Amino acid sequence: KAGVTQTPRYLIKTRGQQVTLSCSPISGHRSVSWYQQTPGQGLQFLFEYFSETQRNKGNFPGRFSGRQFSNSRSEMNVSTLELGDSALYLCASSRRRQTGGTYGYTFGSGTRLTVV
Amino acid sequence: GENVEQHPSTLSVQEGDSAVIKCTYSDSASNYFPWYKQELGKRPQLIIDIRSNVGEKKDQRIAVTLNKTAKHFSLHITETQPEDSAVYFCAASTAPSSASKIIFGSGTRLSIRP
Repeated sequence: KAGVTQTPRYLIKTRGQQVTLSCSPISGHRSVSWYQQTPGQGLQFLFEYFSETQRNKGNFPGRFSGRQFSNSRSEMNVSTLELGDSALYLCASSRRRQTGGTYGYTFGSGTRLTVV
Repeated sequence: GENVEQHPSTLSVQEGDSAVIKCTYSDSASNYFPWYKQELGKRPQLIIDIRSNVGEKKDQRIAVTLNKTAKHFSLHITETQPEDSAVYFCAASTAPSSASKIIFGSGTRLSIRP
């Protein structure tokens, strides 16, 4: 079956612009989480969506936002881009157990964003 | 807030020797502990996970141990091979009934010397 698909793979933007990244989860996975990966900072949690609702949010400024559609596809938006936003943005999908919590993530290949 | 600390940040071992990576977590409500391997230029991939009702789990050359009292868990790789070279991330999940997120450690870059 198809894995987690992220588009675009690479993106170059100018400071002050805004950007939208897309993530299509594995079929049947309804939970989508977003992470920012930078050298030396590891994987920083941005937010998680389930059933079109944001369920958790990390410690990122309000310039970072997201949404999830009825087909579980998710988008992440970053407004007023800063140089420090340059990173690999990874999305991960998972199933949810009936008793709560999720199974392990399956990550997409990521979108590498460069802000110049 | 939730925090996962991972040590060491870099590890170099001779091929055939064992490697151990250690993590501690802060939230006692954490109940799911996955480990991910990320090879250069690739996505993180789940290699093994353990739940809080289990103390140890093995999968061929890989094993994970969990000490809930100490809030400590470790990854053990035996008979290391060149293909084990990668960055390894530990993680902990705080999973209340209606939501969950996975918090990752800062990663360990493992190098296998031939």
